[in-house]
This record gives sequence, structure tokens and C-alpha cells, in this order.
Amino acid sequence: GENVEQHPSTLSVQEGDSAVIKCTYSDSASNYFPWYKQELGKRPQLIIDIRSNVGEKKDQRIAVTLNKTAKHFSLHITETQPEDSAVYFCAAINSGGSNYKLTFGKGTLLTVNP
Amino acid sequence: DSGVTQTPKHLITATGQRVTLRCSPRSGDLSVYWYQQSLDQGLQFLIQYYNGEERAKGNILERFSAQQFPDLHSELNLSSLELGDSALYFCASSPGPVNNEQFFGPGTRLTVL
Repeated sequence: GENVEQHPSTLSVQEGDSAVIKCTYSDSASNYFPWYKQELGKRPQLIIDIRSNVGEKKDQRIAVTLNKTAKHFSLHITETQPEDSAVYFCAAINSGGSNYKLTFGKGTLLTVNP
Repeated sequence: DSGVTQTPKHLITATGQRVTLRCSPRSGDLSVYWYQQSLDQGLQFLIQYYNGEERAKGNILERFSAQQFPDLHSELNLSSLELGDSALYFCASSPGPVNNEQFFGPGTRLTVL
């Protein structure tokens, strides 16, 4: 089955610095890669996603890059703010036909220090 | 507020028992997904329903089952409960069957004693 490795498991940065979280996946048929942010005690919320026919996507301070050949994708947060502190999950989804698979990474606890 | 509702918020029960968790999707969403979140297993996809039909299965145990009703709300049934089933259970909904943004509900915290 699909295996998604997420690194690092914890990340601490100073306010204003950039943060990068990386995920690798094993199923080459995966074609959709969302990133979720989960604040303590809250529900996961989609922050950005990318499809396999795109190499990069940006939304204000957040960007995601995808390298299909290497089977890895990364979340980049620039100019971090204390409210960015949360657990971030990546996911890899194979939505082809009857073989739907959805696998999450183990999560990264991001702490932004003021 | 995502528009997805889940009841109950908390559930405490004993081993061997059976419980039912309920989810109402956002208005207009046809897909419902169920997830289990625990400290040791992380976030795990259990099952997806689309417009009343089971569409995809993840790591759902045979003791667990789900269904989606004509009004599109969904129920997750957990039976012969074990201590290890204690977790946060989320449902999420999306408009279509694949690769859409999923909107998560607030979750049901299940504690099995």
C-alpha cells in the first residue's frame, strides 16, 4: 500500500523565518496532494493542495512544490507568524478508478516563536 | 465553522459495546469521509461514501461499518469496542467523489474504558 513519510516531526522557527516540511510517497499513481493544518483541539483544515500535473502552487505566504520523478512534495511557509503554529499533515491520494487510496503523513508540529 | 456537523461530541463507553457516530455533511456535498485520529496511528482514512454508495475503503476494521442515507447524512458504527479504539473520529465532506477540498467536522472523541 501507499506509504507517506513526513519530515521533520517537529519544527521550531522564529517569527518571520521560513518553514519547510517535506513528504515522500511510494505510490507513483498518486495524483492529488493536499496539506492540512490542525490547531490544538481543532479540526484539520485544508491550506493548499496540488495536483500531479502541476509542479508548484502558491497562495500568499504558502507554497507547495511537487517532484513526481522523485515522489516528494514540500510545503513552504514564508514570513511565519505565531498563528502559523499548528500540526501540519500532508496526504497523498490515488483517485484512479476503483483503487482509491488516501494516506496521511504522521504530521509536523510547527512552533513559531515570537 | 465548516458546515459539517458531528454528534455526539464526546462518547464514553465500555469494552465490548457498540456505538454509532453521526455526521451531517455541508449542504450540497455528496461525499462523506470518515477518519480516525489517535496519537500512535496518526490520521487514518477509514471509508468514503458518495451519494449513498460506498466509494472507497481505507483502514477500516471489520468491526466497523458505515452507511450514507438518502438525506446524505452518514453514520459510523463501531462494535465489539476495544481499548485501542479510543480516538478522535472525524468526518469530512466534499462536493464530488475525488480530489476536492474536504471540509472536516469538529470530531467525536470516543473513550473506551
